[in-house]
Amino acid sequence: AQSVTQPDIHITVSEGASLELRCNYSYGATPYLFWYVQSPGQGLQLLLKYFSGDTLVQGIKGFEAEFKRSQSSFNLRKPSVHWSDAAEYFCAVGATGGATNKLIFGTGTLLAVQP
Amino acid sequence: DVKVTQSSRYLVKRTGEKVFLECVQDMDHENMFWYRQDPGLGLRLIYFSYDVKMKEKGDIPEGYSVSREKKERFSLILESASTNQTSMYLCASSFPGGAGSKAFFGQGTRLTVV
Repeated sequence: AQSVTQPDIHITVSEGASLELRCNYSYGATPYLFWYVQSPGQGLQLLLKYFSGDTLVQGIKGFEAEFKRSQSSFNLRKPSVHWSDAAEYFCAVGATGGATNKLIFGTGTLLAVQP
Repeated sequence: DVKVTQSSRYLVKRTGEKVFLECVQDMDHENMFWYRQDPGLGLRLIYFSYDVKMKEKGDIPEGYSVSREKKERFSLILESASTNQTSMYLCASSFPGGAGSKAFFGQGTRLTVV
């Protein structure tokens, strides 16, 4: 069965520091992978997605993620974190279920940014 | 931009009440979804719909039903609300582009059942 694991429930980084959020997936075929961000009181916004091709994917707000098939991972990175990046981040895998596609989400990582 | 609108941001209902959560999208998307979000559990799929009057169960359908009479509107129904259904509910929509379709989310409805 498809699944997504985000091992870090909560991460705190200092403003200006680098960030890496971990995501591992379980999926039989080539996965469609996504990172979404949820700011306080907001819905989810797509940061980036991977379908095929270049394993390093660039997204919005200066984020990138690298697909590593050998490790079944799709970690999210940012070289320098801003206070506005404080939010909850969800990794997801696109799966075929029934008559259509659906997203399977991880449990999320809550990012706090210290001044 | 795609807009997915959930009719209420906050709802407080009593145990045993029938509760309707409404979701409307304005981009003619075929697919619509209802997720439930709980701390430490992430988003879990309750139901989804791939066309008018068509629906499929997600991972946690018990205690819920859905209705899709028009393409733009997808309703989640709690037949008899219980306290364990207190949660954040998120609606989403997408085109049927396979497993890689981008989903657009509403802002969520925080439901409290007392």
